[in-house]
Amino acid sequence: DQQVKQNSPSLSVQEGRISILNCDYTNSMFDYFLWYKKYPAEGPTFLISISSIKDKNEDGRFTVFLNKSAKHLSLHIVPSQPGDSAVYFCAASAKTNAGKSTFGDGTTLTVKP
Amino acid sequence: DADVTQTPRNRITKTGKRIMLECSQTKGHDRMYWYRQDPGLGLRLIYYSFDVKDINKGEISDGYSVSRQAQAKFSLSLESAIPNQTALYFCATSDSMTGRRETDTQYFGPGTRLTVL
Repeated sequence: DQQVKQNSPSLSVQEGRISILNCDYTNSMFDYFLWYKKYPAEGPTFLISISSIKDKNEDGRFTVFLNKSAKHLSLHIVPSQPGDSAVYFCAASAKTNAGKSTFGDGTTLTVKP
Repeated sequence: DADVTQTPRNRITKTGKRIMLECSQTKGHDRMYWYRQDPGLGLRLIYYSFDVKDINKGEISDGYSVSRQAQAKFSLSLESAIPNQTALYFCATSDSMTGRRETDTQYFGPGTRLTVL
C-alpha cells in the first residue's frame, strides 16, 4: 500500500504561469510534509516543508498548502521558470517515527519558455 | 566541496559480484540512510542508521547489507549482485540534534548509478 501518492507523473506549464503539483497521503499519523526537487544526475534537494499544525507555508515563489481532512497537499510555484524544470518528490513523516520519511513517486515538471 | 559524497558515481558489474557503495558526509549529522530509485518510482528506503551502533532495515533490505564505520561513513554492500538491483542509489543524512521536526529534512548525495549485467 503506497502511503504517499503523486498521481501525476508529469506536468508541463508555460513560463510565467502557475505550476501546481499534488500529493495525497493515506497514513493519518503523518504530521510533517516535505517537498524535494531533483535535477538529472544530482541528488534530491530540500525545497519546502509544512507541519500539520499549519495549512500554508510560503517561501518566495514556492507555497505548500495542506488540507488535513482531505489528506492532500499541493506545491504551488508562481511564477514558473524554466529552471524549475525538475522532478519533484513529496515526502511525509510521523512524529512517532521521526527521522524516517516516506516518498511519493515524483512528478516531472517541465516549464516551457 | 559537497557535504555528502558517494563513490563510485557509476558502476557496471556482473551478476554474482560483490559490490560496495560508499557514502561520506561532512555535515556532522548522526543519521544516515540508503535509498534506491528505479525509473518512474520514488525513493525506497534500504537501510538507515541513527548512530554508529544503530542499524535498521528499511522496506527493501533483502539482498543488501550496510556498515556504519564512523559517524561520517555509511557503506552499502550487495553481496551477490543481480540484474534487478540495477538502479540509482542515494545516500542521505539528517540531524537529530535540534529536537525539532525540521530534523526530518534529509540531505542527499549525488547518487550512484549501478548496472548489473
